[in-house]
Order: sequence, then C-alpha cells, then structure tokens
Amino acid sequence: GENVEQHPSTLSVQEGDSAVIKCTYSDSASNYFPWYKQELGKGPQLIIDIRSNVGEKKDQRIAVTLNKTAKHFSLHITETQPEDSAVYFCAASINNNDMRFGAGTRLTVKP
Amino acid sequence: DAGVIQSPRHEVTEMGQEVTLRCKPISGHNSLFWYRQTMMRGLELLIYFNNNVPIDDSGMPEDRFSAKMPNASFSTLKIQPSEPRDSAVYFCASSLQGWYGYTFGSGTRLTVV
Repeated sequence: GENVEQHPSTLSVQEGDSAVIKCTYSDSASNYFPWYKQELGKGPQLIIDIRSNVGEKKDQRIAVTLNKTAKHFSLHITETQPEDSAVYFCAASINNNDMRFGAGTRLTVKP
Repeated sequence: DAGVIQSPRHEVTEMGQEVTLRCKPISGHNSLFWYRQTMMRGLELLIYFNNNVPIDDSGMPEDRFSAKMPNASFSTLKIQPSEPRDSAVYFCASSLQGWYGYTFGSGTRLTVV
C-alpha cells in the first residue's frame, strides 16, 4: 500500500518568514495530494490540494508543488503569521480513496 | 452546513466494556472514512465506505473492531471488548467520491482504563 513520509517533524520560524514542509510517496499510481491543518482539539482541515496533472498550485500565502517523477510534493507558506501555528499533514491517494497521511509537522510561528 | 458530526466528544470506559462511536456525514457525501489518531502511529485509516458499502476494512486492527453504515446519514464504529491500547482519538470523515478532499469531524477522544 501507499507509504507517505513527511519532514521535518517540527519546524519553528519567525513571524514573516517562509515555511516549507516536504513529503514523499511510494505508490506511483497516487494522483491526489491534499494538505491538512490540524489545530489543538480539532479534526484535520483541508487547506490546499493538488492533482497529478498539475505541477504547482497557489492560494494566497500557501502553495503546493508536485514532482511526479521524484514522487515528492511540498507545502510552502509565505509571510507566516502566529495563527499558522498548527500541525500540518500531507496525504496521498488514488482517486480520493484510501487516503494515507504523513506523520505530521508541528509548525510554530514565533511573534 | 453543520459539517461532520461525531458523538460522543469524549468517552471514558473500563477495559472489557463495549464502546460505540457515532458519525453523521455531510448530507450528499457518499464516502465515509474512519481514522484513528495516536502519537505513536499518527492518522491510521481503519475502514471506508462508498455508497454505504464497506470497501476496505484492512486497517481494522482486530476482530474486536466493527463498523456499520446502515444508511447514508449514519455510521457507527464499535469496539467490543475495549482494551487500554484502544485509547486514541477516532475521527470520522466524509467526501464526495472522486476528486474532493475529506471533511473531518471533531473526533471522539476514547480513554479505556
């Protein structure tokens, strides 16, 4: 089955700096790659996603890139703010079924 | 839209007791997923349904775990008998089958003592 690895496990940045989280996946058939943000006491919330026919997608301060050949994808957050502090998860699936998650990255944005 | 609704939010039970977790997916969503989250193992997919039919239950850890979806608006995850190692946060998520991300509920924090 699909195996998703995520790095780093923790990330601390100064407010206004950029943050980058990287993931790799094992199953070349995977074609859907969402990113989730989880705040304390809540369920994961979808923040951005990318499909295998697209190399990059941007939504305001958040962007995701996908390299199908290397089987890795990354989340980029620019101009970080304290409210960006949370745990971020990458995931991979085939046609949105059987979604497998990375281990998570705890992002801390220091004011 | 009220989102995915899970109940109870917290459950404390004694080892050996039966535990039932409940989930109401978003109206119109036809896929439902049960996940378990622990510090050690992260988010694990337990089972998922498409159009109320169980598709893959290979993530269910043992026969003590069972899940049902009697209709499009309700699903249960049952643990019988419960053990301390079942302590975790259990999430239910729903989606439109196809190209959409999942919407997660707020989870049920289960503690088995």
